[in-house]
Amino acid sequence: DTEVTQTPKHLVMGMTNKKSLKCEQHMGHRAMYWYKQKAKKPPELMFVYSYEKLSINESVPSRFSPECPNSSLLNLHLHALQPEDSALYLCASSPRAGTTGNTIYFGEGSWLTVV
Amino acid sequence: DAKTTQPPSMDCAEGRAANLPCNHSTISGNEYVYWYRQIHSQGPQYIIHGLKNNETNEMASLIITEDRKSSTLILPHATLRDTAVYYCIVRVAGLTGGGNKLTFGTGTQLKVEL
Repeated sequence: DTEVTQTPKHLVMGMTNKKSLKCEQHMGHRAMYWYKQKAKKPPELMFVYSYEKLSINESVPSRFSPECPNSSLLNLHLHALQPEDSALYLCASSPRAGTTGNTIYFGEGSWLTVV
Repeated sequence: DAKTTQPPSMDCAEGRAANLPCNHSTISGNEYVYWYRQIHSQGPQYIIHGLKNNETNEMASLIITEDRKSSTLILPHATLRDTAVYYCIVRVAGLTGGGNKLTFGTGTQLKVEL
């Protein structure tokens, strides 16, 4: 079963709020990812965690703070966001990182609206 | 990263085969071709991947040309539920620092109609 679970599905937050997006997988995958997708655009990579360590940060602003508490969980902490940060945030996982032929599986995403 | 080129949109009649082309003329020898699709408002769904040989699974077939510069995803009997954006992606190999960069292009919007 290839399942990545994201919560919440929808989130509305003010620009001064602090909120978190959560992602969970129980497939034993050791790499986890955050992607951001604006309307009518393809997903864009934000962060990659490999064996619970941050391995890639695609120059994401510090108002987005990822955290990987263990191999099954990935959080994205949000603080002082701007309305232009409104988007679909996608979590993904793969068995391991840095190896081709290593399929990445996505969750259904969390829709974020910043007001 | 090898770049991919896909037509922005295609139409297909329900029950017919949908053939989605992708050009990746700068692909390296150890890079795989991956296909994902994204149905409106959902997360991307993995379809199939291949390196050199043609591949088939329960969802689709992937035909890769001998020179590996292009490929075609075939949905043998398209249904209305196959309406989605289809992304052809070439995977970067051997990144330092670990991780995989799955870089999405603009994809092909496939519309399956009655």
